[in-house]
Amino acid sequence: QVQLVQSGSELKKPGASVKVSCKASGYTFTSYAMNWVRQAPGQGLEWMGWINTNTGNPTYAQGFTGRFVFSLDTSVSTAYLQISSLKAEDTAVYYCARVAIVVVRWSYYYYMDVWGKGTTVTVSS
Amino acid sequence: SYELTQPPSVSVSPGQTARITCSGDALPKQYAYWYQQKPGQAPVLVIYKDSERPSGIPERFSGSSSGTTVTLTISGVQAEDEADYYCQSADSSGTSLYVFGTGTKVTVL
Repeated sequence: QVQLVQSGSELKKPGASVKVSCKASGYTFTSYAMNWVRQAPGQGLEWMGWINTNTGNPTYAQGFTGRFVFSLDTSVSTAYLQISSLKAEDTAVYYCARVAIVVVRWSYYYYMDVWGKGTTVTVSS
Repeated sequence: SYELTQPPSVSVSPGQTARITCSGDALPKQYAYWYQQKPGQAPVLVIYKDSERPSGIPERFSGSSSGTTVTLTISGVQAEDEADYYCQSADSSGTSLYVFGTGTKVTVL
């Protein structure tokens, strides 16, 4: 079955870096782009951006440029999220989610059909 | 930036119908999608393209659209439906591909 398996929880100090992985199985990895979504404690969902799994080209949403990097290793069907210079406000659950597309009369509409279970990143001194 | 507005909470008795609204100016031009998130779990897609139900989602979940408001309806609510629900769409220009609603907590009394 289609699934996204994410790496385990991380506890980091301010200023450090973290790399979260998302391993896909049950489908052809390069046939679907991958999103990243953040959920701060007690808050809603926030789209961080997506990465084209064919070209490796990332697109970052507003507010997620600079310290956030999306990358891939297609040989192991895995997407990565790296966050550098961690701050306390980066404490959150980070989800990867597969991009699904609806095409209607040459217009494209995007949503997320499969989600990983999430990776908790805690930033604390 | 574009916003999708949902009521913070909806309370419903078991067996009754819960309706969750989501309002946004671009909704007449963009499809809406709905996700269910139970405590400590990842979101799950329950409705796509305004009213389509993914395989494995119970028939009691349905979606509709009218103008600038979309609605998720849960008919015959069960205790297991208690969760947060988020709508998602895009802005009219396509600049922001994914915008999430503010979220609605459904409580089954």
